[in-house]
Parts: sequence; C-alpha cells; structure tokens
Amino acid sequence: ILNVEQSPQSLHVQEGDSTNFTCSFPSSNFYALHWYRWETAKSPEALFVMTLNGDEKKKGRISATLNTKEGYSYLYIKGSQPEDSATYLCAFIRGGADGLTFGKGTHLIIQP
Amino acid sequence: ETGVTQTPRHLVMGMTNKKSLKCEQHLGHNAMYWYKQSAKKPLELMFVYNFKEQTENNSVPSRFSPECPNSSHLFLHLHTLQPEDSALYLCASSQTRDSPLHFGNGTRLTVT
Repeated sequence: ILNVEQSPQSLHVQEGDSTNFTCSFPSSNFYALHWYRWETAKSPEALFVMTLNGDEKKKGRISATLNTKEGYSYLYIKGSQPEDSATYLCAFIRGGADGLTFGKGTHLIIQP
Repeated sequence: ETGVTQTPRHLVMGMTNKKSLKCEQHLGHNAMYWYKQSAKKPLELMFVYNFKEQTENNSVPSRFSPECPNSSHLFLHLHTLQPEDSALYLCASSQTRDSPLHFGNGTRLTVT
C-alpha cells in the first residue's frame, strides 16, 4: 500500500503572508511527483511535475522542491492572495505504474 | 472548458439501476483514467487506459465496468451499486505517464 501524506490538513494564512506545506511519499522506486491545485467548483489543475532529486520548479508566486532520497516535497506560496485559496494535492507515481496515488490535500484559506 | 468533458454532472440512481458515466477528451492524449473522490478520502485511482488498453485495475468491484472504445472516449458502466459508492467520479487524461493529468469536472453520483 502506498501512502502519500500531506500536512497540514488545513491552513489559514493572512493575505500577503508566505506559506508552505509538505508532501511525503515512499522514497523507494520513485518515478515522479505531481502537484495540483483544486479550487471549489472546478477541476484539479496541474501545477508541477517533478522527477529529479533536487528539482525546483516555479510558476509565478508558487514554487516546489523535491527530495526523492528522503521522500518529501515542499510547496511554497509567496505573498498569498485570496485567489490562492484552494486544496493543494500532491500525487506520487512509482516506477512501473501507470496511475498516480494522491494525498488527501492541504486546504488553504487566504484571509483578506 | 477544460478539454475533458464529463456527463452527466449529477446522477441519482437506485441500487438496482444501470447507468453509465461518459468522458470525452479533446486533447489528443493517449491515456485516460477514472478516479473516485469520497468524502474525507484522497482521490482513489480506479482504472487506467493507455492507447485504449486497460493497464491498471485498482481492485475495483465488478459492479464498476470501464469501457474505452477509442483514445478520446471513456465510459464507466454502473450496475447494482451500493450507497457507499456515492462519490464524485473524476475522469482525467494525459499525453504520457510523465505528463500532468487534465481532469474533467466530475460526475457527482448519489446511490439511494
């Protein structure tokens, strides 16, 4: 059984503050790690696909890092805005598999 | 418009009914997926199709029967479901297993 753990489960952040949250996954037989943003009443939207240990990806104010040896990834949001409010999902795919295993997500609320 | 279209958006069915969920992708992708989202659980992978061939069945009960007639269309046939099968069913597609998933808006299924 693969476990993808995300923490915290929910997070309230003041507008303008920066924040980060964690995804942990099995470090053996790693293939790729995905991050998605899921806004209410919409479908999940891909943020990053990361495959290499030490990878860092950036999209606007959002960035992510990857440590495959210890099995964790961080997602950072700089200068949070109300439109960043969403559930952030990470998902892991192991070598030889075709489908992603998702975590439960971090529910982020940005307070004006 | 996400490029992945699911119908219907909402479905209420009795335990003795037979119904089908439909997914269509307009992105030219080669892989299609069914995921299930139950309350307080992570997205659970159900089925994966690559080039119309089923490559993963994640121990899904036989009352769920997938069909992939071509790379653009994916169905989930439902029969004799249980109330605990009530959930959001999401379809997704990707170009390859390295690529991010593109999700539809989902079908909210209620089994009475």
